[in-house]
Amino acid sequence: QSALTQPRSVSGSPGQSVTISCTGTSSDVGGYNYVSWYQQHPGKAPKLMIYDVSKRPSGVPDRFSGSKSGNTASLTISGLQAEDEADYYCCSYAGSYTFEVVFGGGTKLTVL
Amino acid sequence: QVQLQESGPGLVKPSGTLSLTCAVSGGSISSSNWWSWIRQPPGKGLEWIGEIYHSGSTNYNPSLKSRVTISVDKSKNQFSLKLSSVTAADTAVYYCARKRGSHWFDPWGQGTLVTVSS
Repeated sequence: QSALTQPRSVSGSPGQSVTISCTGTSSDVGGYNYVSWYQQHPGKAPKLMIYDVSKRPSGVPDRFSGSKSGNTASLTISGLQAEDEADYYCCSYAGSYTFEVVFGGGTKLTVL
Repeated sequence: QVQLQESGPGLVKPSGTLSLTCAVSGGSISSSNWWSWIRQPPGKGLEWIGEIYHSGSTNYNPSLKSRVTISVDKSKNQFSLKLSSVTAADTAVYYCARKRGSHWFDPWGQGTLVTVSS
């Protein structure tokens, strides 16, 4: 399975909203409601932000939301804050036979 | 609260075998979860390596399957990764993580950098 496709970078000003896309195929993103999103600050381990396309773990602000349409999933961050500046990775289940999981290439979010 | 901690050599010679262990604390490795290894080459994205259930069942990334072995030691509440015939392309930060039922990862270990070099 190939990596999922994400934009290399996005940016926004504090208070604005940004959306990060994650495009796959009918064999991964489009085939299952098993998309998750991770935030990674420099030198740190990834942190789960969204799972099952649109569910937020306890402790994740409701400024973070997820959705999916066809083969593309999206992460939207509203009310941007300086601490949101990080790399974001999408992830999808991709294998009913191999049980494979695939990640996107990552998107660098810059808060201007 | 489950916590994971990776350990192992930070330097491996080319053609050698990379060996890492992930210690699980705050919970039992025999719970109904899969336990995974994920890596991240410097400056690059994440790559799923594979996973193991406490029964010993495993699933591997097809691109790495021929070189990867993941095992579990329930008595020590830990699981391990072996990657054979390593090259410089295997240089990465290696993370262990718990995978929940619908294929999401939480929590993650802090990660350990493994460099392949002579």
